Amino acid sequence: AQSVTQPDIHITVSEGASLELRCNYSYGATPYLFWYVQSPGQGLQLLLKYFSGDTLVQGIKGFEAEFKRSQSSFNLRKPSVHWSDAAEYFCAVGAPLGGSYIPTFGRGTSLIVHP
Amino acid sequence: GAVVSQHPSWVICKSGTSVKIECRSLDFQATTMFWYRQFPKQSLMLMATSNEGSKATYEQGVEKDKFLINHASLTLSTLTVTSAHPEDSSFYICSARVAGLDTGELFFGEGSRLTVL
Repeated sequence: AQSVTQPDIHITVSEGASLELRCNYSYGATPYLFWYVQSPGQGLQLLLKYFSGDTLVQGIKGFEAEFKRSQSSFNLRKPSVHWSDAAEYFCAVGAPLGGSYIPTFGRGTSLIVHP
Repeated sequence: GAVVSQHPSWVICKSGTSVKIECRSLDFQATTMFWYRQFPKQSLMLMATSNEGSKATYEQGVEKDKFLINHASLTLSTLTVTSAHPEDSSFYICSARVAGLDTGELFFGEGSRLTVL
C-alpha cells in the first residue's frame, strides 16, 4: 500500500520569502501525486498534480512541485509567499489501478506567514 | 471546475440522535464519492468509498452500521451518523470524481462540522 510523509507539521515564513514544503511517498512504482490546500473550515482545493511526463509541475496561485523519483519526493515550492497563502497543505499519493485510484493523504503542513 | 456542495456546513446535535450530511455534485455526475473524516490539525482519514447504486466500501475500522452511506443518484451521496456520541464530533468532508473522466482530480465539498453534545 502507498503512504505519504510530510515531515514538517508547521512551517513559518515571512511574506515575500520563498517556500518549500516537503513530501515523501512510499510506493513500488510511480504513483499519481497531488498537492491540496485547505483554508480553515473549508474543503480542499487542488494546487497541482503529477501523473507522468515533465517532472516539474506548475500549479495555481504560483505554486510548483518537482517529482524526484530517486528521492521519492514531490516537494511544493513557491518563490514568493503572500499572506493569503497561510493555510494547511496536504500532499497526496494515489496508486494507479485500472485507470482509477484512491488517494492517501499526508498529515498536512501548516503554513504560517509573518508580515 | 466542478463543484461539490455539502449540507449542512455546521450541525450540533444531542447525543443519541442521528444526523444526515448530504454531498452533492452540482454540475457533474459522480459515480464515485469519498467520505473523509478530519480531526483538528490532522489529515483526512478515508472512511468509505461510495458508488452509485451499490453498497459503500468501508475502510478498516469504520463501523458501517454507525456511518450509513447512501449513493442513490449520480449527484447525491449521504452520510448518516447514527446514534451520535461526542466522540463522533468531527469535520466530515466528501469528495467526488467526475464520471467517465478520470483526470485523477478529486473535487471536495466545503466540509460539515458535526458537534455532538
